[in-house]
Amino acid sequence: EIVLTQSPGTLSLSPGERATLSCRASQSVSSSYLAWYQQKPGQAPRLLIYGASSRATGIPDRFSGSGSGTDFTLTISRLEPEDFAVYYCQQYGSFMYTFGQGTKLEIK
Amino acid sequence: EVQLVQSGAEVKKPGESLKISCKGSGYSFTSYWIGWVRQMPGKGLEWMGIIYPGDSDTRYSPSFQGQVTISADKSISTAYLQWSSLKASDTAMYYCVRHGRGYFDLWGRGTLVTVSS
Repeated sequence: EIVLTQSPGTLSLSPGERATLSCRASQSVSSSYLAWYQQKPGQAPRLLIYGASSRATGIPDRFSGSGSGTDFTLTISRLEPEDFAVYYCQQYGSFMYTFGQGTKLEIK
Repeated sequence: EVQLVQSGAEVKKPGESLKISCKGSGYSFTSYWIGWVRQMPGKGLEWMGIIYPGDSDTRYSPSFQGQVTISADKSISTAYLQWSSLKASDTAMYYCVRHGRGYFDLWGRGTLVTVSS
């Protein structure tokens, strides 16, 4: 089973700043099968990025994904108040899906 | 509107059985895999299993194999997650999800299951 480790566990930033979230895999992941989700309190997660770098429908262009192999990054270029949430990465391979443990992005 | 509509919250006692549902609408239900994701209180996301409603092909996470049963009734565009004997540790929010190409592109709002004596 591929284990995804997200860092940092908590990221404290101010609106307008740039956020960089990391997701590291225990073995190589196909870039086609790496996704990022956002979850706000009391809500279901929402797909942000799929295929490591493609934005889902309706996702603002301040969100971007990059990376390959075992290291992937979600970048939020300029934080808006509504971006403070928990973010999860997820990988898929041979009918096995795993999620990272999440990064909480909080207002500084 | 493309959506997954889940059944309502449940409160059960340990040892009881339960079946929760997820109805897809606005798209071809038999053309996409439907999965289930668990989120225990204050914790992260765990993939449980997935079913292809077109032919009921089902795959489980090793962590949930034998603990739950996933099924689907394509005639009413509905997937199910069931337990035969609930435990307190099954207390969680359960999300149904539509599988895209390696990602979950559509999420239900979740069904909160509380198991308490």
